[in-house]
Amino acid sequence: QKEVEQDPGPLSVPEGAIVSLNCTYSNSAFQYFMWYRQYSRKGPELLMYTYSSGNKEDGRFTAQVDKSSKYISLFIRDSQPSDSATYLCAMSDGNDMRFGAGTRLTVKP
Amino acid sequence: EPEVTQTPSHQVTQMGQEVILRCVPISNHLYFYWYRQILGQKVEFLVSFYNNEISEKSEIFDDQFSVERPDGSNFTLKIRSTKLEDSAMYFCASRPGRLLYNEQFFGPGTRLTVL
Repeated sequence: QKEVEQDPGPLSVPEGAIVSLNCTYSNSAFQYFMWYRQYSRKGPELLMYTYSSGNKEDGRFTAQVDKSSKYISLFIRDSQPSDSATYLCAMSDGNDMRFGAGTRLTVKP
Repeated sequence: EPEVTQTPSHQVTQMGQEVILRCVPISNHLYFYWYRQILGQKVEFLVSFYNNEISEKSEIFDDQFSVERPDGSNFTLKIRSTKLEDSAMYFCASRPGRLLYNEQFFGPGTRLTVL
């Protein structure tokens, strides 16, 4: 079983749609959960970070962590064409980080 | 705003040649990382480096790979004898490290093409 599982997509939605991105993981030591956004041929940039279980909201973005189910989600409300990118979940035990495969999202105008 | 820089942006080399990929982490950061991303695939952890030594490495990071912080500002990844399958984007990252969790800041990457 892979340490972090993420459906690579691709996922295509119309502008304004709500997007749901998910990851599962197997390592109980993970405490920090991140979502990175990566544009084509660029390095990943941190979008949101959550510690332990719970929800975190930042503008149109909401991150959820359910440690009991080892499941994390990122929701994007009112999606925009500029949100088109690859979204990578990442997890850390406080030291090193492991990435999911990334979900390629296209938001069509 | 401080950022991680990487050079070159694109490196083309012949199979069997040695390559050195260079990174300048953010100046007050203490932990340094190299990741690899083969085209269309996931970002893979290669190695982490702290206090002038490797703290963790993945199974990808075999004897062909080495890292060095030669002068207190640069952080390099050397591949001794490149293989075709080493073709990938290589990302350097750094984090401050003073707290249990710090964001890792990524550089723009070096695209390595092995012919």
